[in-house]
Amino acid sequence: EPEVTQTPSHQVTQMGQEVILRCVPISNHLYFYWYRQILGQKVEFLVSFYNNEISEKSEIFDDQFSVERPDGSNFTLKIRSTKLEDSAMYFCASRGTDYGYTFGSGTRLTVV
Amino acid sequence: AQRVTQPEKLLSVFKGAPVELKCNYSYSGSPELFWYVQYSRQRLQLLLRHISRESIKGFTADLNKGETSFHLKKPFAQEEDSAMYYCALKEGGNYKLTFGKGTLLTVNP
Repeated sequence: EPEVTQTPSHQVTQMGQEVILRCVPISNHLYFYWYRQILGQKVEFLVSFYNNEISEKSEIFDDQFSVERPDGSNFTLKIRSTKLEDSAMYFCASRGTDYGYTFGSGTRLTVV
Repeated sequence: AQRVTQPEKLLSVFKGAPVELKCNYSYSGSPELFWYVQYSRQRLQLLLRHISRESIKGFTADLNKGETSFHLKKPFAQEEDSAMYYCALKEGGNYKLTFGKGTLLTVNP
């Protein structure tokens, strides 16, 4: 069964540093998403991406965040200057033309 | 305002007992609801979509528009059902999902 792959599985970074979280969506999927889950809280939508542009973003997704699909296979989330409150599990997901999301196994980001 | 409410943070049952995980939603249009499951340290997996009306791993869920509910049920719980369960509501044309806070189900032997 095709999978969405996320790397790294765990990243520790210092406050103020830039981080890039990487995702390889399912190859024939067209819609891409990032969600995050702060420890003990619910999974929250960050951004959706289609046709090489952001189609929707949440209020969490401020100027510190950006997404990119640099080479037609990877889908990245960049946080420019990390804050302590960015510590969370970040999930990438992709979707084809039907309803079905496929989630990655997540990247645990710890900001110290 | 919370659009998806899962009132139970924790639910513990014995093997073979019936289980019901509650989900209520708030949505002005025609809702599209899902149940996702997350086994220990694994990815979120789609368990059920209300439109398909299928039964996966013995679980069923019926959309009740009058009560704005989409409760997940299984008549006989198994130990391998122990996991985190999330109810989710699709919002908008971009298929954004709004999740509830989740219910941790523990099935005891």
